[in-house]
Amino acid sequence: GESVGLHLPTLSVQEGDNSIINCAYSNSASDYFIWYKQESGKGPQFIIDIRSNMDKRQGQRVTVLLNKTVKHLSLQIAATQPGDSAVYFCAEQSGGSQGNLIFGKGTKLSVKP
Amino acid sequence: NAGVTQTPKFRILKIGQSMTLQCTQDMNHNYMYWYRQDPGMGLKLIYYSVGAGITDKGEVPNGYNVSRSTTEDFPLRLELAAPSQTSVYFCASSYNEQFFGPGTRLTVL
Repeated sequence: GESVGLHLPTLSVQEGDNSIINCAYSNSASDYFIWYKQESGKGPQFIIDIRSNMDKRQGQRVTVLLNKTVKHLSLQIAATQPGDSAVYFCAEQSGGSQGNLIFGKGTKLSVKP
Repeated sequence: NAGVTQTPKFRILKIGQSMTLQCTQDMNHNYMYWYRQDPGMGLKLIYYSVGAGITDKGEVPNGYNVSRSTTEDFPLRLELAAPSQTSVYFCASSYNEQFFGPGTRLTVL
């Protein structure tokens, strides 16, 4: 099976609420993690990344949390907006090899107005 | 900068036909990638390149070939199209984070 997966395939939230998208990984050697956003009909777009020597990283309205003990990654989106509706993918990489980025299946986020 | 561009946007092939998916980037990135994305799934790496003249297989290379004669271009070749190759194909390039093109939607009938 895939080493990167997601707990929930779909997530529906009310506009203005916070969203949390989860991801599990199984390769303890993975040292770099990325969240991508993919809107319908478009390619994935980089949101935020985190290296294994960190447990939290913040961007604009987004926060990524990494729990290496349980091999869990999450993406938090504050004050979710309709424009945040998309599929979100986590990806993992090990050993600094840019040719070895493994993607999870994705979580579809729907924002209700 | 145009970023990563892909052509064509859509294509329908008959079984056994061949075609080349084009990918160009203008960011002077050494790393380039080809992924396929099946419906409701994540991306799977087909081939990647760490620089002109250097390519390597990814997770699902069978049925595909690539070449990298320049830094800018990384075409993907399908020699004998099969229905299993029906998918959306994404090209990407990177220095650190990967930048993706808009994709090519391929149907093999």
